[in-house]
Amino acid sequence: AQTVTQSQPEMSVQEAETVTLSCTYDTSESDYYLFWYKQPPSRQMILVIRQEAYKQQNATENRFSVNFQKAAKSFSLKISDSQLGDAAMYFCAYRSMTTDSWGKLQFGAGTQVVVTP
Amino acid sequence: AAGVIQSPRHLIKEKRETATLKCYPIPRHDTVYWYQQGPGQDPQFLISFYEKMQSDKGSIPDRFSAQQFSDYHSELNMSSLELGDSALYFCASSQASKFATGELFFGEGSRLTVL
Repeated sequence: AQTVTQSQPEMSVQEAETVTLSCTYDTSESDYYLFWYKQPPSRQMILVIRQEAYKQQNATENRFSVNFQKAAKSFSLKISDSQLGDAAMYFCAYRSMTTDSWGKLQFGAGTQVVVTP
Repeated sequence: AAGVIQSPRHLIKEKRETATLKCYPIPRHDTVYWYQQGPGQDPQFLISFYEKMQSDKGSIPDRFSAQQFSDYHSELNMSSLELGDSALYFCASSQASKFATGELFFGEGSRLTVL
């Protein structure tokens, strides 16, 4: 079974600054997806960014970018130019692409991002 | 764009009662997932359905059951409710295709409170 580890329970960042959230995972598979989901106080689960394991290029979505290190099984999220609206719980998630377990998301424990003015 | 619809959004039940949550996936999505998120916890996978058949099962109690209907909506039935069942229940949907984007689309969740 795959496990996803987020070792930072909480990270604080000032507005306009940059913060990096760490995520490591354990798998023996070669094909999979990795995601970062954001959960604001409304508790809605919002996709921030996705990465296909077969792609070497790191994904980027506006102010959000990842550092995907497949050999090290690491998938960190960088939030640049942080805004008050970025304050939320961020979950790293793994999704297998093998036939027998296609679909299920395995989440990490989450990192609470606090943005200060 | 259409999103995943969950109902009810809030539900209050007494211990030992029964609750039913409903989920309407995004049109043309063939897979539905149920997750349970307790306070301060990450979402835990309960069960999933692909084309109306159970495709995977996680840490779902025997007191819970679920199914996906011909119109692809899904229902999660919870019986003999316990205080520990109080949680946010998410439904998510996706397309089971290697050509899809790979993400799960989540509903806004149904908050169950057991008194």
